[in-house]
Amino acid sequence: SYVLTQPPSVSVAPGQTARITCGGNNIGSKSVHWYQQKPGQAPVLVVYDDSDRPSGIPERFSGSNSGNTATLTISRVEAGDEADYYCQVWDSSSDLPFGGGTKLTVL
Amino acid sequence: QLQLQESGSGLVKPSQTLSLTCAVSGGSISSGGYSWSWIRQPPGKGLEWIGYIYHSGSTYYNPSLKSRVTISVDRSKNQFSLKLSSVTAADTAVYYCASSPPEYWYFDLWGRGTLVTVSS
Repeated sequence: SYVLTQPPSVSVAPGQTARITCGGNNIGSKSVHWYQQKPGQAPVLVVYDDSDRPSGIPERFSGSNSGNTATLTISRVEAGDEADYYCQVWDSSSDLPFGGGTKLTVL
Repeated sequence: QLQLQESGSGLVKPSQTLSLTCAVSGGSISSGGYSWSWIRQPPGKGLEWIGYIYHSGSTYYNPSLKSRVTISVDRSKNQFSLKLSSVTAADTAVYYCASSPPEYWYFDLWGRGTLVTVSS
């Protein structure tokens, strides 16, 4: 099955830019989706199809995908962005794997 | 607007079968070409996709769980269900139901999740 690799943690100061990566073999050929999960809550979709945002998600959240790495970028980070973030793809075997998750800490 | 709500037993004994239901409200489970998934999260760990049922009725399961999983739809009750057999403590997790819009493979709607503990 297809494996997605994320860094366990990323730290950033308020107002700075956070970048969370998701690695996979030729992931640039797949559509990558990103979820935010706060403690005790269900995940929320923040970016889909590499770089599109659902309604209600701030423009500060953006995504890119090329080669073997997809990236979720959060600009002007706020304290409320502190959460776990997961990437996910659709694999050709019809699987829907998730990355291991990245804990974003706002310093 | 669609909403999802999980229900089922919160405590299951080892070797028994875990059974959960996801009620769909605000729309018909049969309309719109949606796909319906189950996802779980062990305490303190990441998300694991369990499987989904396509609007056509076809099912796809995580290969690591395939031998123990059954996902089905009850259109008369507007709900879909998960059965996971021969459970062990490793199956203790928060179980979420989620939906994917037609022809897309992301989860745009989630239930609130339900904790299932496997213990004697």
